[in-house]
Amino acid sequence: GEDVEQSLFLSVREGDSSVINCTYTDSSSTYLYWYKQEPGAGLQLLTYIFSNMDMKQDQRLTVLLNKKDKHLSLRIADTQTGDSAIYFCAEKKGYSTLTFGKGTMLLVSP
Amino acid sequence: SAVISQKPSRDICQRGTSLTIQCQVDSQVTMMFWYRQQPGQSLTLIATANQGSEATYESGFVIDKFPISRPNLTFSTLTVSNMSPEDSSIYLCSVGQSDTEAFFGQGTRLTVV
Repeated sequence: GEDVEQSLFLSVREGDSSVINCTYTDSSSTYLYWYKQEPGAGLQLLTYIFSNMDMKQDQRLTVLLNKKDKHLSLRIADTQTGDSAIYFCAEKKGYSTLTFGKGTMLLVSP
Repeated sequence: SAVISQKPSRDICQRGTSLTIQCQVDSQVTMMFWYRQQPGQSLTLIATANQGSEATYESGFVIDKFPISRPNLTFSTLTVSNMSPEDSSIYLCSVGQSDTEAFFGQGTRLTVV
């Protein structure tokens, strides 16, 4: 199966919270990342979490990591229309390269 | 965070021709990588650009098709050779300064006609 899996699509209303989920298979992953890609643009690093952490919060973003279940989530509070984009989860081991999920398209409606 | 500039941002090329994509970083970085993102797909690593030596290619990618240069710690190029429509993708440069950091350029959107 895929190394990193994400649901493909999420639709929310403006002002609601969004939760994007990701599962990974490699227990030796040291860092897990969330990237945002807007149409026609490159990848913007939103946040990352070290594998020995459970949670990381940065303004409207909250990352939760359940290492036992190899489950990562990104919560966006007070979601805005400008948050509409594709969100990629990725895992990394040390200095090695990133393994990406297929991305979750977030659509925020007014 | 590192500032990464990729050129060109987009191009439309004739099949059979080659395109060289440049990646410039505003600071010296240890690691530089090249990824491909095919339409509607996730990112796939093409190769690791090694400073002063040949790039390390991932399975399915070869030097003859994707020659890479990395003359110093702030610059790399990726060439897409003998292009076909199947090469139409976004090509992204990525850099890492430590084992935590992984930043991307804005990408080069290539269309082969």
